[in-house]
Amino acid sequence: AQSVTQLDSHVSVSEGTPVLLRCNYSSSYSPSLFWYVQHPNKGLQLLLKYTSAATLVKGINGFEAEFKKSETSFHLTKPSAHMSDAAEYFCVVSVFTGNQFYFGTGTSLTVIP
Amino acid sequence: DAEITQSPRHKITETGRQVTLACHQTWNHNNMFWYRQDLGHGLRLIHYSYGVQDTNKGEVSDGYSVSRSNTEDLPLTLESAASSQTSVYFCASSATKALNTEAFFGQGTRLTVV
Repeated sequence: AQSVTQLDSHVSVSEGTPVLLRCNYSSSYSPSLFWYVQHPNKGLQLLLKYTSAATLVKGINGFEAEFKKSETSFHLTKPSAHMSDAAEYFCVVSVFTGNQFYFGTGTSLTVIP
Repeated sequence: DAEITQSPRHKITETGRQVTLACHQTWNHNNMFWYRQDLGHGLRLIHYSYGVQDTNKGEVSDGYSVSRSNTEDLPLTLESAASSQTSVYFCASSATKALNTEAFFGQGTRLTVV
């Protein structure tokens, strides 16, 4: 079975401080992992994806994530939060062919000025 | 630019009515998906299609149906709307079945069943 657990439903940070959004996955097979962002009343936008080419993945807007197989984790980080980063973030796992995505329950990021 | 569009963006309907949500993509993608988003659940897969005339049930397919008559469109039909189907619905498409292929999402349709 496969599943995704986002460990924090809400995260608040001050502008200019680091961001850490945590994600653990469970999969019987080597997965592909994604982070998507959803701004209020918008669709989902791809931030980055892990495809086994490199364990540290860089995405858009300064975000990056590190795949740690031993910990079954794929945490999202950013060195310095910006007000425009306030949004909902989803960790997603894809297993097998067929491109079926399994979503975490989301983490709401608040950035305090 | 290629895109994926959903219509309507907002819909209010009455219990028991049939409702159809439209999804149209210009990516020429083979794969299309419908998800619903509910607080505390993330996005859950309703139905998906890998090509024309192909449809498959997802995790929460009861009360929903889809049809795929062309590459561009995958309409989602609620046969008899129920209050439990009040949700935000997202359509998505992807190019291939390959494991690392990302999906592109529409803007969502907010459906309220009263």
